[in-house]
Amino acid sequence: GQQVMQIPQYQHVQEGEDFTTYCNSSTTLSNIQWYKQRPGGHPVFLIQLVKSGEVKKQKRLTFQFGEAKKNSSLHITATQTTDVGTYFCAGLTSNDYKLSFGAGTTVTVRA
Amino acid sequence: DVKVTQSSRYLVKRTGEKVFLECVQDMDHENMFWYRQDPGLGLRLIYFSYDVKMKEKGDIPEGYSVSREKKERFSLILESASTNQTSMYLCASSPFLASETQYFGPGTRLLVL
Repeated sequence: GQQVMQIPQYQHVQEGEDFTTYCNSSTTLSNIQWYKQRPGGHPVFLIQLVKSGEVKKQKRLTFQFGEAKKNSSLHITATQTTDVGTYFCAGLTSNDYKLSFGAGTTVTVRA
Repeated sequence: DVKVTQSSRYLVKRTGEKVFLECVQDMDHENMFWYRQDPGLGLRLIYFSYDVKMKEKGDIPEGYSVSREKKERFSLILESASTNQTSMYLCASSPFLASETQYFGPGTRLLVL
């Protein structure tokens, strides 16, 4: 079945620095979604990417969908303490009803 | 705002007990999902339902069953709880198409002793 791999599993970042988390699929995706889960909370939808090569920005967050629609990345600039949490990517194939979630990247921030 | 509620935040059960986890959504969504979340494994789909009385197995259905008698309610049942079912259980719903956003409930942390 479809697998979505996400790296790194943990990211320790100095406040103010940038970082990127990566998501790779074994199969071509029809879309990819990103979710954020704060400590003690539940996943909350951030964004969806559909088109090949698509780039979307939300303030300091930049999301990218690869040309082959098999990979995606989330880049955060000038990390703040409010960015703490686990970021999940989730991919959907065209012949499947189900989102396949990556294992998540858990981000901690050093002030 | 979409609201997805789960019957319990924390639950402690003994091995062999029958466990019911309830999920209710208030936005008339067609699709509902049950996931379990374990460290390092992300969210794994147990079952989902795209309509009343309809259900489909996810990636890890063994040891679980579900019930969807009403559109707004989706129940996860552990027929005979085992210690390897200790986990965080998350319910989610989505409007219609599988590609749309999923809205998650707060989760139920289940401990099976």
